[in-house]
Amino acid sequence: QSALTQPASVSGSPGQSITISCTGTSSDVGGYNYVSWYQQHPGKAPKLMIYDVSNRPSGVSNRFSGSKSGNTASLTISGLQAEDVADYYCSSYTSSSTPWVFGGGTKLTVL
Amino acid sequence: EVQLVESGGGLVKPGGSLRLSCVASGFTFSNYSMNWVRQAPGKGLEWVSSITSSSTYIYYADSVKGRFTISRDNAKNSLSLEMDSLRAEDTAVYFCARSRTYLGDYWGQGTLVTVSS
Repeated sequence: QSALTQPASVSGSPGQSITISCTGTSSDVGGYNYVSWYQQHPGKAPKLMIYDVSNRPSGVSNRFSGSKSGNTASLTISGLQAEDVADYYCSSYTSSSTPWVFGGGTKLTVL
Repeated sequence: EVQLVESGGGLVKPGGSLRLSCVASGFTFSNYSMNWVRQAPGKGLEWVSSITSSSTYIYYADSVKGRFTISRDNAKNSLSLEMDSLRAEDTAVYFCARSRTYLGDYWGQGTLVTVSS
């Protein structure tokens, strides 16, 4: 049950774009289009931002987008805003003995 | 409106037991797989356990296998997590979450479990 690999932190200036990577294996990220991304503010529950690699739930800003290449998925946030400061987690379905795996999380700072 | 409300957290001594509950509303509970996810203080999210809609398939993380038991009562729209032989490392906020092709489109607010003597 190895966690997916995310950078510990990323930062950007207001208005800029940033990308958070999420690297797994062919048994999870690379093998299925079931990658999702979550935003979590301190003391709050996670919020679904992207599902099935690149789909946005209703109500999520179109500044958030997702993609995948091989065993690495990515979350891109364009037009950075102060409200985007949060922790971001990726998750994937996995063909291992357990169905789900998370990344370690990435702390986003807006400079 | 979809709502998931957890309860049952609290302070328990190492080796003790606790039962968490999650009551669902606003959707047809019996149509969805459900999950428990936890977050230790200052740490990331950790998937704990999943149960399919009819309880046909149940999964556990290695860290809790043999100590935790997930169950559901579709007639009462409720999900439970029975936690035995608790350890200090089980201290965390426990979230219930509804899953589809992804782990959680809706999450509860979480309930804090503290294992300490």
